[in-house]
Amino acid sequence: GDSVTQMEGPVTLSEEAFLTINCTYTATGYPSLFWYVQYPGEGLQLLLKATKADDKGSNKGFEATYRKETTSFHLEKGSVQVSDSAVYFCALSKLMNRDDKIIFGKGTRLHILP
Amino acid sequence: DGGITQSPKYLFRKEGQNVTLSCEQNLNHDAMYWYRQDPGQGLRLIYYSQIVNDFQKGDIAEGYSVSREKKESFPLTVTSAQKNPTAFYLCASRWTSGGGFNEQFFGPGTRLTVL
Repeated sequence: GDSVTQMEGPVTLSEEAFLTINCTYTATGYPSLFWYVQYPGEGLQLLLKATKADDKGSNKGFEATYRKETTSFHLEKGSVQVSDSAVYFCALSKLMNRDDKIIFGKGTRLHILP
Repeated sequence: DGGITQSPKYLFRKEGQNVTLSCEQNLNHDAMYWYRQDPGQGLRLIYYSQIVNDFQKGDIAEGYSVSREKKESFPLTVTSAQKNPTAFYLCASRWTSGGGFNEQFFGPGTRLTVL
């Protein structure tokens, strides 16, 4: 079945470091891909998305490129801040049908040290 | 402002009691979802509903029940049959029209603790 695999955390970095959180997926067809962020005690917020191969999603300095050849959607940021500390979820969904639903990875906790 | 509200933020329940978690959205979304999140874990789907008066079981529906009598509302009841109900519960919704996939929007969550 369809699945999403993320690198396990926690990931600890110093402020201004470069960030990569790996995400790979297994799916038939042509899924859409998402990154969500969850701050402590809150719900999830959509960070960025890509709906077809080679699309690049970007928001708040974060980027991810939909790579169909490697089935990956790695999250990157050039210079992290303390405020980026959160849990990040990679997710996929295929084109809509009656039983369509999102499949989430297990999440990667990110700690940024000042 | 449009959004998804969940109430209460924190909920305490004695063992053997049923409890209902509220989820309301004013985004005019068709589909609504309930997830459970345990510490250090990802999200697990409990139930979802694509249209009013219809819903489907997710991956961990046992011990839970839902209703969808109105488009805006999708309450979740945690019954006494749920063996380990202490968790963080998240409600989400999205449009299903438009011919393509639309992302889910999430509420702030309800933290349920069974005493």
